[in-house]
Amino acid sequence: KAGVTQTPRYLIKTRGQQVTLSCSPISGHRSVSWYQQTPGQGLQFLFEYFSETQRNKGNFPGRFSGRQFSNSRSEMNVSTLELGDSALYLCASSGGIPGQGTDTQYFGPGTRLTVL
Amino acid sequence: ILNVEQSPQSLHVQEGDSTNFTCSFPSSNFYALHWYRWETAKSPEALFVMTLNGDEKKKGRISATLNTKEGYSYLYIKGSQPEDSATYLCAVYTGFQKLVFGTGTRLLVSP
Repeated sequence: KAGVTQTPRYLIKTRGQQVTLSCSPISGHRSVSWYQQTPGQGLQFLFEYFSETQRNKGNFPGRFSGRQFSNSRSEMNVSTLELGDSALYLCASSGGIPGQGTDTQYFGPGTRLTVL
Repeated sequence: ILNVEQSPQSLHVQEGDSTNFTCSFPSSNFYALHWYRWETAKSPEALFVMTLNGDEKKKGRISATLNTKEGYSYLYIKGSQPEDSATYLCAVYTGFQKLVFGTGTRLLVSP
């Protein structure tokens, strides 16, 4: 089975621009979560999608949004980029039904976003 | 706000040494604890998912224990090898229905 893929792998943007990141989960997985990692911070939860519905959202401003398509692929969008948005963005997919916390998360390689 | 704390922050051992790290979390509203290994330039890889107090998991030379009453988990590596060099992350899932990660323990194993 192919793993989780993320595109693009690297991205450079300037302040004020917007960006869209893409995540393709493992075939058959319907749950996709997004995380942000900045230096010195653990992975910070952004949001989780299951069957095209956002189930949960982390403590991030409204500039961060996402969606999931019927094929379970997910995108996240960041509008009006700020310098502090420079980070590694990881997505993870899992095969169960969310809510119990016992599903193994399978992570993609991440997208490294640099905001200048 | 749920805080998941990992210690030590980093560790440097010699090949063959055994080592262990700690993950601490609030014991209330606990659902599950995950351990991941994250090698440089790779994706985080799941090691264990643990739910029950007293749970013990083992995968080769790596094992983990869980104490939900006092809010901690230990990860042990027996006879460390250079290929064990990685950052080890723990994450806790609570009733707020999201995984909260610690900042990780960075392990370096020298030959």
